[in-house]
Amino acid sequence: QKEVEQDPGPLSVPEGAIVSLNCTYSNSAFQYFMWYRQYSRKGPELLMYTYSSGNKEDGRFTAQVDKSSKYISLFIRDSQPSDSATYLCAMSGNSGGSNYKLTFGKGTLLTVNP
Amino acid sequence: DAGVTQSPTHLIKTRGQQVTLRCSPKSGHDTVSWYQQALGQGPQFIFQYYEEEERQRGNFPDRFSGHQFPNYSSELNVNALWLGDSALYLCASSGGDRSSYEQYFGPGTRLTVT
Repeated sequence: QKEVEQDPGPLSVPEGAIVSLNCTYSNSAFQYFMWYRQYSRKGPELLMYTYSSGNKEDGRFTAQVDKSSKYISLFIRDSQPSDSATYLCAMSGNSGGSNYKLTFGKGTLLTVNP
Repeated sequence: DAGVTQSPTHLIKTRGQQVTLRCSPKSGHDTVSWYQQALGQGPQFIFQYYEEEERQRGNFPDRFSGHQFPNYSSELNVNALWLGDSALYLCASSGGDRSSYEQYFGPGTRLTVT
């Protein structure tokens, strides 16, 4: 079983739709949960990070972490064609545990159609 | 404020050859991590450098080695290249104890091994 599982899609939605992207994980030591956006042939761009369980909102983006279910989500409201990209979830252990490695999912390819 | 920069952008090598990739971190960052991203996959952690030492290493063979210089820039060296080493090599920079969750990626170096 992989440490981080992410449905690769592809996911295609109309402009203005609410998008839900998800990852599950098996390593209970993960404490930090990140979402990255990667455009074709570019490096990943950090969208937001969350520590432990809870919600975090940044503009049209909301990240949710449910550690009891080992399940994280990213919601995109009012999706735009410019949101079309691959979305990667990433996780890491607590810095106090000296674990600096990010473990990534495979990424979900999202297309927002005008 | 320049972000993370990497050179070269693209590289073509032959099996058995050696390659050196370079990375300059964001201003104010002292930590550099290297990742390998195969086509259609999420990035895989190779290692992280802090204070000119390898602080953590992923599951990669000794053919992969690195170095960090006093100005925090870094190099990734790969010896005895295999066809399977063809991938996008990403450098990520971070600062201090935020290195578990706030890693910023460069555009990557695309390596093709023939």
